[in-house]
Amino acid sequence: GQQVMQIPQYQHVQEGEDFTTYCNSSTTLSNIQWYKQRPGGHPVFLIQLVKSGEVKKQKRLTFQFGEAKKNSSLHITATQTTDVGTYFCAGPWAGNNRKLIWGLGTSLAVNP
Amino acid sequence: NAGVTQTPKFQVLKTGQSMTLQCAQDMNHEYMSWYRQDPGMGLRLIHYSVGAGITDQGEVPNGYNVSRSTTEDFPLRLLSAAPSQTSVYFCASSQQMNTEAFFGQGTRLTVV
Repeated sequence: GQQVMQIPQYQHVQEGEDFTTYCNSSTTLSNIQWYKQRPGGHPVFLIQLVKSGEVKKQKRLTFQFGEAKKNSSLHITATQTTDVGTYFCAGPWAGNNRKLIWGLGTSLAVNP
Repeated sequence: NAGVTQTPKFQVLKTGQSMTLQCAQDMNHEYMSWYRQDPGMGLRLIHYSVGAGITDQGEVPNGYNVSRSTTEDFPLRLLSAAPSQTSVYFCASSQQMNTEAFFGQGTRLTVV
């Protein structure tokens, strides 16, 4: 069945280091969304990418959507302790386009 | 702006008991969904609704029922609670399936 894989599952970095998480789908996605969940919190929408090869930036966060629309990445430059949390990608299920399929997330820990 | 309101925040049930998790949104969103989140499993879709009177199953619907009599409310019913249903449950709403999803604060359910 359709799968959305995220790597790595966990990442520990020193504050100031960069961080990247990757999202790979077994099928072409019409769009991809990224969410952040702080420990003990709920997922919060970060961004949606729609176009092939699209790149969007939010301050220190850079989001990319692959040319084939089957993969995406989130890169954080110079991490801060406020970046701690789990980052999820999600894309529409290919079957009926009414469901979101979620990656398992990448948990980021930042050592001050 | 209340956004998405979930109640209760915490609940302990005995095996075999039934209960309803409440979810209400005040953004006039058509699409609503219920997820469960377990360690290492990410977010798994239980049921979703594309509008009042219309519901459908997600990835893990067994043991749960939903209804959508109004645009605002989307309750989740556990018919006969089992320890395997111990989880954190999130309700989410969005204008459409593939637009920004707003999540409730979550319900931490323990079945003993």
